[in-house]
Amino acid sequence: AQKVTQAQTEISVVEKEDVTLDCVYETRDTTYYLFWYKQPPSGELVFLIRRNSFDEQNEISGRYSWNFQKSTSSFNFTITASQVVDSAVYFCALSEAENTGFQKLVFGTGTRLLVSP
Amino acid sequence: ETGVTQTPRHLVMGMTNKKSLKCEQHLGHNAMYWYKQSAKKPLELMFVYSLEERVENNSVPSRFSPECPNSSHLFLHLHTLQPEDSALYLCASSQSGGAEEKLFFGSGTQLSVL
Repeated sequence: AQKVTQAQTEISVVEKEDVTLDCVYETRDTTYYLFWYKQPPSGELVFLIRRNSFDEQNEISGRYSWNFQKSTSSFNFTITASQVVDSAVYFCALSEAENTGFQKLVFGTGTRLLVSP
Repeated sequence: ETGVTQTPRHLVMGMTNKKSLKCEQHLGHNAMYWYKQSAKKPLELMFVYSLEERVENNSVPSRFSPECPNSSHLFLHLHTLQPEDSALYLCASSQSGGAEEKLFFGSGTQLSVL
């Protein structure tokens, strides 16, 4: 069975601090995809990144970076020098390659990040 | 540019009312989804339409009835809801149905059932 755990319910930081959001997943598939989405107060989830299970290379995009470690089944997300605009709920999600016909994402419960000025 | 548009943004209804949620996508995608987002719970997939055919119905109560008249529009018809149905209802779309597909979400309808 698939499962995504985001143990941090809420994190509060002050602007310019670095913050890491944790994501641990469970799957029996050898081929799968991991995602991060951001949900700002406006409500819509915005895609941030996708990783397939064969690509463990870490990725950096501006102030965002992702650390994928299959050995610990983790896909953590770090924001460097956080800004107030980063305040949102962040979701980690998993999709198994055996899913066909439609995208069947399993989401974590989300981590609410509050960045104060 | 808003790729996925949902209306209304907010809805308050009594348990005996009938209402509909509307979703429209302007991305030329082939698959559309309804999700339910409740506090402190993971997003729950409710329904999926692929090429206008329903391909998933995740044990959703019959008081929720989806409709997909064409590949750009998706509706969720509501009747005799319960207070526990109060939640944010999100619509999403994807180009196709593969496991690697990104979902594009609307801003949701915040539903309150009194």
